[in-house]
Amino acid sequence: DTEVTQTPKHLVMGMTNKKSLKCEQHMGHRAMYWYKQKAKKPPELMFVYSYEKLSINESVPSRFSPECPNSSLLNLHLHALQPEDSALYLCASSQGPGQQETQYFGPGTRLLVL
Amino acid sequence: SQQGEEDPQALSIQEGENATMNCSYKTSINNLQWYRQNSGRGLVHLILIRSNEREKHSGRLRVTLDTSKKSSSLLITASRAADTASYFCATDFTGTASKLTFGTGTRLQVTL
Repeated sequence: DTEVTQTPKHLVMGMTNKKSLKCEQHMGHRAMYWYKQKAKKPPELMFVYSYEKLSINESVPSRFSPECPNSSLLNLHLHALQPEDSALYLCASSQGPGQQETQYFGPGTRLLVL
Repeated sequence: SQQGEEDPQALSIQEGENATMNCSYKTSINNLQWYRQNSGRGLVHLILIRSNEREKHSGRLRVTLDTSKKSSSLLITASRAADTASYFCATDFTGTASKLTFGTGTRLQVTL
């Protein structure tokens, strides 16, 4: 199984809502990532989890809260978002630091904040 | 920003032609990767070239790397309509394999 799954595919939320994005992989990968991608722009790294611990936070606003409940799951909790947070949110995984560097991406969650 | 630059931003060719896209980056790297993205969906890894390699092939793909010029190129030979996508280079300069920095991307359109 070389698939990274993400749910939901689409999400519309108001600025006062709380929602969560979910990501799952069953490749035994020990590194997982969240990226944000605006239209016609490259993905921008948000967070990196390595062995279930947060290892990189790219100065992301606190209204985005990542969580890694176990080695297969990665969540991104959303609260009090702004319209400019509307984007495609991509999850990825890789074997882990110092190992094969290829990242496997999920299909993304397209988020619209009203 | 460590973000790489890619050119051209957009490329339109006919099926059967070759497509070449270029990537330039700013810092020393451990490896450079190329990814494809169809219609704003997930990215798919195409090929990885290490800093001590100069050229690599995978099927119809040929990647070159010139570390002295901090640049790479991706050649797709005998293009097909299914190659229509955005192509991004991504550099790993930390050595930890944890942080990829993506280039600005090239949008390739292959017409019949």
